[in-house]
Amino acid sequence: SQTIHQWPATLVQPVGSPLSLECTVEGTSNPNLYWYRQAAGRGLQLLFYSVGIGQISSEVPQNLSASRPQDRQFILSSKKLLLSDSGFYLCAWSVRRGEETQYFGPGTRLLVL
Amino acid sequence: AQSVAQPEDQVNVAEGNPLTVKCTYSVSGNPYLFWYVQYPNRGLQFLLKYITGDNLVKGSYGFEAEFNKSQTSFHLKKPSALVSDSALYFCAVLLYNFNKFYFGSGTKLNVKP
Repeated sequence: SQTIHQWPATLVQPVGSPLSLECTVEGTSNPNLYWYRQAAGRGLQLLFYSVGIGQISSEVPQNLSASRPQDRQFILSSKKLLLSDSGFYLCAWSVRRGEETQYFGPGTRLLVL
Repeated sequence: AQSVAQPEDQVNVAEGNPLTVKCTYSVSGNPYLFWYVQYPNRGLQFLLKYITGDNLVKGSYGFEAEFNKSQTSFHLKKPSALVSDSALYFCAVLLYNFNKFYFGSGTKLNVKP
């Protein structure tokens, strides 16, 4: 069966520090991968999605970036965090056919102080 | 523009009573419709989806949803609510081959003993 992992689970970082959040998927090959941010426990904002290694689409211009160095690894990064980057970050995967369910990881809670 | 609306910010139900969480959508083309549930500080869990066929879809934990094409709605229902159903519920639309979900803003369901 497929499993999706995210780490760390919780992170407290000072403003201006770098960020690296990692997401890995097990039990499937060639997945679509997604990064979302959820602010204030409500709506989800799609940040990035990837249909293959090195292929990243950005949905919202901001100081975050994403990379996919391996087929089942998706990394969210920032060189300098802003207060507004605080939130709950969710990674998700789906099969590549395009009509399938997205399955979410447990999330990373980021607090920027 | 594609959009998903969850008109109720919060729904309050007594345990044992039926519950309905509303969702309407506006998309071009034929949508695939989904419901997810989120417990505090957790990722989203898939409940059910409508792709094609029978308008009444049954999912996990006794939930079901009815697709109504003329009203462009996909309301989530359960005949008898449990206190453990209290959570945040998201409706989502996926356009075939677009690899992107459009999420509603979420509805908080409170089930009281």
